[in-house]
Amino acid sequence: DAGVIQSPRHEVTEMGQEVTLRCKPISGHDYLFWYRQTMMRGLELLIYFNNNVPIDDSGMPEDRFSAKMPNASFSTLKIQPSEPRDSAVYFCASSRQDPNEKLFFGSGTQLSVL
Amino acid sequence: DQQVKQNSPSLSVQEGRISILNCDYTNSMFDYFLWYKKYPAEGPTFLISISSIKDKNEDGRFTVFLNKSAKHLSLHIVPSQPGDSAVYFCAASGRDYGQNFVFGPGTRLSVLP
Repeated sequence: DAGVIQSPRHEVTEMGQEVTLRCKPISGHDYLFWYRQTMMRGLELLIYFNNNVPIDDSGMPEDRFSAKMPNASFSTLKIQPSEPRDSAVYFCASSRQDPNEKLFFGSGTQLSVL
Repeated sequence: DQQVKQNSPSLSVQEGRISILNCDYTNSMFDYFLWYKKYPAEGPTFLISISSIKDKNEDGRFTVFLNKSAKHLSLHIVPSQPGDSAVYFCAASGRDYGQNFVFGPGTRLSVLP
C-alpha cells in the first residue's frame, strides 16, 4: 500500500492567495483527519471525516478554512484568503473503522505564506 | 487548555542508556494512549500503544507504562540508539472522543553516539 499521499509537499504563497492542500487516504480506511503542526501548539486536529462525512470541525481556526471529502479516496483542505499565521505543516491521516485503531499519517505539506 | 502535556520539549541521552519520555493528561475519560515518532520532513509514525486496562506494554526496546491514578504515562527506550533521535508525540483518545486523538506538543529526543 502506498500509504497516505499528500500534495504538494511544499507550498509557498503570498498573503491573500487561495491555498488548496490535497490528500489521498489509504484504501479501505473510513476515517480521514487533517492536523496542523506548529511550534507553539504542536499537532492540533482541524477536522475529521467518517465515511466522507465531516464529524468534528471544531478545530478549524476560522471561516477562511474549509475541508471537503467528495469521495472515499480524496480530500482537500482550502485556505482562502491565506495569512502569514497559517504557515505550518499540515498533515493528513487516515484510519480504519475499528475503535482505537491507530492513525497513519502522510508526509505533510509545508505551507509558507509570505 | 492542553489535555495532553509533554513538559520536556527536549531530551538528550547517551547511546546505550535508557531514554524516558513523559506524558501527562488531564481528562479522566481518556482510555487509550499511543506514542508516535516523527523524523524531520516525514509524518508521525505509530510506535506503541496502551489501553487503560493495562499498566505496561512492551515491544522490543520500547515499553510504555501507564499510571491511571496519576494520569501519567511514560515511554522507555532501552537501549537508546542514534536512530531513535526524533520527536516523540504522546496521544490519547476515549469513548467520548470517538476516533479523535488528542496529541501532546512533542519531545525532541537526541541520542548522542
